[in-house]
Amino acid sequence: QKEVEQDPGPLSVPEGAIVSLNCTYSNSAFQYFMWYRQYSRKGPELLMYTYSSGNKEDGRFTAQVDKSSKYISLFIRDSQPSDSATYLCAMSPGGAGSYQLTFGKGTKLSVIP
Amino acid sequence: GAGVSQSPRYKVTKRGQDVTLRCDPISSHATLYWYQQALGQGPEFLTYFNYEAQPDKSGLPSDRFSAERPEGSISTLTIQRTEQRDSAMYRCASSLDSGGQETQYFGPGTRLLVL
Repeated sequence: QKEVEQDPGPLSVPEGAIVSLNCTYSNSAFQYFMWYRQYSRKGPELLMYTYSSGNKEDGRFTAQVDKSSKYISLFIRDSQPSDSATYLCAMSPGGAGSYQLTFGKGTKLSVIP
Repeated sequence: GAGVSQSPRYKVTKRGQDVTLRCDPISSHATLYWYQQALGQGPEFLTYFNYEAQPDKSGLPSDRFSAERPEGSISTLTIQRTEQRDSAMYRCASSLDSGGQETQYFGPGTRLLVL
């Protein structure tokens, strides 16, 4: 079993829908939680970052971390065709190893106009 | 430069050949990372540098893989005696520092195909 599990999809939704993307993890040492967005033929770019548990909102995007369940989510409200991309969750431990990101497989999202 | 750049963007080689991939990080960034991304997978950590020091090589899959950053800026990843299983996207990232709160900025990657 991988340390980070993410459903690869693909996920197809109509424009305006609410999208929910999720990852589970097994390493309780993870303290930093991130969501990266990767457009076709581009490198991943950081979308959201959360330290430890809780919620974080940025415009149409909300990231949630539930450390007790080892479960993180990304919600996209009012999804747009420009949101079509692969979304990768990533996490790292605290302390000396915090530089080392462990990624999920990524979920490919298509938002249909 | 504006972002992380990598060259070449594509590399096709024959099994047994050596290849060298190059990464040019964001100029103010002390820390540079190499990842390997197989098709349909997320990036997997290979190694990283703080300036020219290489504190962690634990992700390098075998001793055929090596990386350098001799002057603390540009880095190269060399794969000797390439094998077909080395075919993947190789991504470089850089960050201001190596702390977990630092954003890693990724380059476009080098797609390596070993025939």
